[in-house]
Amino acid sequence: AQTVTQSQPEMSVQEAETVTLSCTYDTSESDYYLFWYKQPPSRQMILVIRQEAYKQQNATENRFSVNFQKAAKSFSLKISDSQLGDAAMYFCAYNPGQGGSEKLVFGKGTKLTVNP
Amino acid sequence: GAVVSQHPSWVICKSGTSVKIECRSLDFQATTMFWYRQFPKQSLMLMATSNEGSKATYEQGVEKDKFLINHASLTLSTLTVTSAHPEDSSFYICSALGLAVTDTQYFGPGTRLTVL
Repeated sequence: AQTVTQSQPEMSVQEAETVTLSCTYDTSESDYYLFWYKQPPSRQMILVIRQEAYKQQNATENRFSVNFQKAAKSFSLKISDSQLGDAAMYFCAYNPGQGGSEKLVFGKGTKLTVNP
Repeated sequence: GAVVSQHPSWVICKSGTSVKIECRSLDFQATTMFWYRQFPKQSLMLMATSNEGSKATYEQGVEKDKFLINHASLTLSTLTVTSAHPEDSSFYICSALGLAVTDTQYFGPGTRLTVL
């Protein structure tokens, strides 16, 4: 069964600094999708970034980028120039994609605190 | 784009009554919607997958007679908690998969249910 592991229950970063959140996953599939979702105190799940496994290039969305290491099954999220509004729970998620059930497998989450 | 709404955002009901939660995709058509439950400080737990025009598929351990799901159109899915009890109190979140981008789930803002 596919699993997603986030080994850091909590992380903190100073405003304007950079922080990296870790995520590893286990799958026997070769084609799939990976996501980072953010859940602020409002509890609205917000898509941060999406990566297709067949693409070697790491996805980037403004201050958010990923380091996707397919062989190592690692998918870390880097937040640059951290802002107070980045404080939230961050969930890494896996989707088997086409031919799969489209279900998301979530990690347990990392709580990010941004210190002013 | 890809906005999902939920109604109500919070509800308080008496034990034994039924509560209906609506999930709507506002600017896209969704063939598949998902219903999750989230306990405090935990990750999302998938309850069921809802496909337009067909019966929902429930995850193991989820009582289908207690959590009735109807996906009557490409923009609306409903979750009815029947004969609610205090242990059903939780945060319920829906998500939707678009027709065009079928590998990414977009989430509603959630519904907090409190059963007295």
